[in-house]
Amino acid sequence: DIVLTQSPATLSVTPGDSVSLSCRASQSISNNLHWYQQKSHESPRLLIKYASQSISGIPSRFSGSGSGTDFTLSINSVETEDFGMYFCQQSNSWPRTFGGGTKLEIK
Amino acid sequence: EVQLVESGGGLVKPGGSLKLSCAASGFAFSSYDMSWVRQTPEKRLEWVAYISSGGGSTYYPDTVKGRFTISRDNAKNTLYLQMSSLKSEDTAMYYCARHRTGNYFDYWGQGTTLTVSS
Repeated sequence: DIVLTQSPATLSVTPGDSVSLSCRASQSISNNLHWYQQKSHESPRLLIKYASQSISGIPSRFSGSGSGTDFTLSINSVETEDFGMYFCQQSNSWPRTFGGGTKLEIK
Repeated sequence: EVQLVESGGGLVKPGGSLKLSCAASGFAFSSYDMSWVRQTPEKRLEWVAYISSGGGSTYYPDTVKGRFTISRDNAKNTLYLQMSSLKSEDTAMYYCARHRTGNYFDYWGQGTTLTVSS
């Protein structure tokens, strides 16, 4: 199975900061990597598909990059509504797997 | 508006069985692949079952293979997950999700909770 390792586990930031969240795959997955946001007591929401493709309705401050084994989710100027958990997920092979998540919290 | 509404969760004893349902609306259900994804109490996400749009293909991870069965009724716009030989480690929130071409999950339900405990 492909293991996805997210770092850091927790990121404490101030609104207005720009941040980068990392997701590393245990083997090359091309660009078959997707990002989700989950706020407290809500279901996950798709943010980015195929490493860098934007999703309709998602603010433009969210962007993704990377290919192969190293991927990054960037948030340009964090807003208070952005705090919560972020997960990456791979679709290069079965079983589909998720990273352990990064918690974005208010400093 | 796409809506996915899960039901059927509850408290089950180890070794027991349960069937979850997911009612879909707001899109052409029969045209989309679907999956079940669970979230453990530690907040870890785990995909547990996939079914193609017509129901002809299904996939499972080894952790549930042989114990869980995914199915769908396209006439009723409903997805199911039959779970048997339940273990304490199956305790989780179970989400129904639209699984675009088996790759990314673009819509999720609100979830239904399963607790396996004696």
